[in-house]
Amino acid sequence: SAVISQKPSRDICQRGTSLTIQCQVDSQVTMMFWYRQQPGQSLTLIATANQGSEATYESGFVIDKFPISRPNLTFSTLTVSNMSPEDSSIYLCSIWTDTYEQYFGPGTRLTVT
Amino acid sequence: DAKTTQPTSMDCAEGRAANLPCNHSTISGNEYVYWYRQIHSQGPQYIIHGLKNNETNEMASLIITEDRKSSTLILPHATLRDTAVYYCIVTDKLIFGTGTRLQVFP
Repeated sequence: SAVISQKPSRDICQRGTSLTIQCQVDSQVTMMFWYRQQPGQSLTLIATANQGSEATYESGFVIDKFPISRPNLTFSTLTVSNMSPEDSSIYLCSIWTDTYEQYFGPGTRLTVT
Repeated sequence: DAKTTQPTSMDCAEGRAANLPCNHSTISGNEYVYWYRQIHSQGPQYIIHGLKNNETNEMASLIITEDRKSSTLILPHATLRDTAVYYCIVTDKLIFGTGTRLQVFP
């Protein structure tokens, strides 16, 4: 298994501002993912972030709104830019191990007012 | 598209086996079947995965039909702490559907 931590665990932000969420893994992993889970909904994949390459975004998500960094094999950040109340969600990072198991961080609960 | 179909909800008595079905009729040959669960307000928890063969670990068993178009997650002795939403995923991008809400009752 892997231990994944996220910072912050929660935040309340004003409309129009940006928030950067950090994801730290206790081991080196190639594949990292960022998901969003809106209230009462299932998880939606935002992007795949592999070290050494640009993030790959899913339909409906763009780099200008959700820039991602992946500077090394244990760390990634997701920025939610120019926030609106519709961005209020739980944001989760996830990793895929070399034995094809997927683990999730505890999530960052974002409220935009 | 999620590519999976699961019942919206199921109930199970504590101590009994919980059998959660999943249909994935469009699965391709190299796609794995993954199961996760999410307990309220927590991040999803990996349970088990498989390709063709049945799999078992300390948490559950995974039964995959021979044609791979469906699978069943088995929790052999359900406890109250197993109450959660269970997700079945069969795409290499691990796209989540709506899952099955399992309620274990005393």
